[in-house]
Amino acid sequence: EPEVTQTPSHQVTQMGQEVILRCVPISNHLYFYWYRQILGQKVEFLVSFYNNEISEKSEIFDDQFSVERPDGSNFTLKIRSTKLEDSAMYFCASSDDGPYSNQPQHFGDGTRLSIL
Amino acid sequence: KNQVEQSPQSLIILEGKNCTLQCNYTVSPFSNLRWYKQDTGRGPVSLTIMTFSENTKSNGRYTATLDADTKQSSLHITASQLSDSASYICVPLSGGYQKVTFGIGTKLQVIP
Repeated sequence: EPEVTQTPSHQVTQMGQEVILRCVPISNHLYFYWYRQILGQKVEFLVSFYNNEISEKSEIFDDQFSVERPDGSNFTLKIRSTKLEDSAMYFCASSDDGPYSNQPQHFGDGTRLSIL
Repeated sequence: KNQVEQSPQSLIILEGKNCTLQCNYTVSPFSNLRWYKQDTGRGPVSLTIMTFSENTKSNGRYTATLDADTKQSSLHITASQLSDSASYICVPLSGGYQKVTFGIGTKLQVIP
């Protein structure tokens, strides 16, 4: 069964450094998402992406964050200048229809980002 | 403000037993409601998706119910297995996905 893959599984970065998290969504999916989950807390939506542009973004997704689909397979999340509070598990997800449809979102197993 | 309350926070049951997890929400307007299973250290896996017109939806041993009038949903697990040990997360969706609110989840442990 096709799956969403994320790399790396764990990223350790110094505060203030830039970090890029990578995702390969399921190949025929059109909608892409990033979420984060701080340890012990609920999953939080960051951004959705469709047709090569951001569809929706939450208040968390400020100017420090950006997303890109640089080619036909990868979907990346960049954090420009990391803060301690960015430490979390970051999940990528994809779906073949939008969030208001009855199509499921398929999640990757996440990248654990640790900011020192 | 959209809120999601799940109960119980945690639950321990014997293998083979049934259980029901609850979700109360306040999102408005309502679009659909999703239940996810999240194993420790893994990404959420979609179990069911229900629109406001659906009362019940099943996926194998998982059956979700929805009462859009009272803004309540439940997830019933039948004949539990050890592999059902996970967090179960309720996600009601409002009109704007930027405001989507995930529940904190119910942590279920199935013991032999």
